[in-house]
Amino acid sequence: DSGVTQTPKHLITATGQRVTLRCSPRSGDLSVYWYQQSLDQGLQFLIQYYNGEERAKGNILERFSAQQFPDLHSELNLSSLELGDSALYFCASSVSGAGTEAFFGQGTRLTVV
Amino acid sequence: SQQGEEDPQALSIQEGENATMNCSYKTSINNLQWYRQNSGRGLVHLILIRSNEREKHSGRLRVTLDTSKKSSSLLITASRAADTASYFCATVELYQAGTALIFGKGTTLSVSS
Repeated sequence: DSGVTQTPKHLITATGQRVTLRCSPRSGDLSVYWYQQSLDQGLQFLIQYYNGEERAKGNILERFSAQQFPDLHSELNLSSLELGDSALYFCASSVSGAGTEAFFGQGTRLTVV
Repeated sequence: SQQGEEDPQALSIQEGENATMNCSYKTSINNLQWYRQNSGRGLVHLILIRSNEREKHSGRLRVTLDTSKKSSSLLITASRAADTASYFCATVELYQAGTALIFGKGTTLSVSS
């Protein structure tokens, strides 16, 4: 158990819909990262938050947004969903920046139909 | 952006054999990390090697780093069926205010008994 909790584990939704993925980081970790993993693109970095502030943005689409709350949990919002958004979405946390060990949640498998 | 690239993409061996996976990266690094992912599950940190280290051991894992060639290798000795997984190298990418781990596409290792 990594200590990082992601909900829900599975999500099936229709094209055009909006979903919210939730992540609770490991106790004491200030950094939260979101990744998307698909067969063709591999593991893509989406966004980093540190202690409530957005710090780094990777390959995140404009239809996607995230936030980190005062209790450090984070949410990833995906809107106007397309078939190509079907993927595994991972949250990871670390004590500080990415130069330290990252702990991954078990992921949310999103299927867009 | 994809910083690390693993080679080979897939590797099949028998139990008891050694498995070697290679990673090449593009820019200078402070450290390089290796992660394991069992099918469809979250990534698990295996080992971190700093740029001033040439070799590091952890149990049956041996990691080497050659900064002059911008490459690293992960050796798993005496492989077991339980080692069947995908293995990723990761390096840190710097952003204006934050950092993120950037992963290669991974090596899929299959160990048969």
